[in-house]
Amino acid sequence: NAGVMQNPRHLVRRRGQEARLRCSPVKGHSHVYWYRQLPEEGLKFMVYLQKENIIDESGMPKERFSAEFPKEGPSILRIQQVVRGDSAAYFCASSPGALAVSTDTQYFGPGTRLTVL
Amino acid sequence: GQQVMQIPQYQHVQEGEDFTTYCNSSTTLSNIQWYKQRPGGHPVFLIQLVKSGEVKKQKRLTFQFGEAKKNSSLHITATQTTDVGTYFCAGRGGNNRKLIWGLGTSLAVNP
Repeated sequence: NAGVMQNPRHLVRRRGQEARLRCSPVKGHSHVYWYRQLPEEGLKFMVYLQKENIIDESGMPKERFSAEFPKEGPSILRIQQVVRGDSAAYFCASSPGALAVSTDTQYFGPGTRLTVL
Repeated sequence: GQQVMQIPQYQHVQEGEDFTTYCNSSTTLSNIQWYKQRPGGHPVFLIQLVKSGEVKKQKRLTFQFGEAKKNSSLHITATQTTDVGTYFCAGRGGNNRKLIWGLGTSLAVNP
C-alpha cells in the first residue's frame, strides 16, 4: 500500500542546469499537486494537475518552470536553468479526486530537497 | 484573493503546558483541514472539519470550526515533546479544489 513517492529525495544542481523532479501518486489517485517550501516558511502552492491536464498553475513562475502528469508514468516538475533562489523543498501531494470535492484529502510525499550551487 | 492567516507563527512551551494555534480566513470556507509537519518531514493530514461549529477530538488534540466557517483552531492539551513540529491549516472555499494554506505555527516543546 505505497504512499506518494518522490525521487530523487535530494538533488544538487549547478546554476543553469535543469532539475527534474518526479512524483508517483498513491495508486488510484488521479490528482497531483506540487508545492514549494523554503526553509522556515510555509507551503506555497505551485500547480494542480489531473492526468494529461493542468487544472491550475497559478502558483507556478511563468518562466523556467513546467509540470506534467502524463497518462502513463509519474508527474514531473521541471525547472530549467536553475538559480540559487530555486533551492527549496518541493513536495508533491495526491488526492483521489473523489466526486465529493469538499472531502478531498491530500497525501504528501517525502519531498525533494533541491540545492542549487 | 482568498487568504488564510495563521497565528502565532512560533510558540515555545514547557512540556505539559497547553498550546493553541488559530486560523482565520478572509472568506467563508467549505471545509478546513489541519496538517502536521515534523522537522525535516512532510505534511501529514490530521483532520478535516466541514460543519459550522464542528468540534473534533483526537486524544489531546481538539479541533474547532467557527460558526461562520471563517476561522478554526487547534488546541493541544498537556503538550509532549512528540508534539514538536509545524501545524498548518488549509481551507477550501466554494467549489475550488485548491487548498489555501496558512503559513503554519511552529511548536517547540521544552522537556
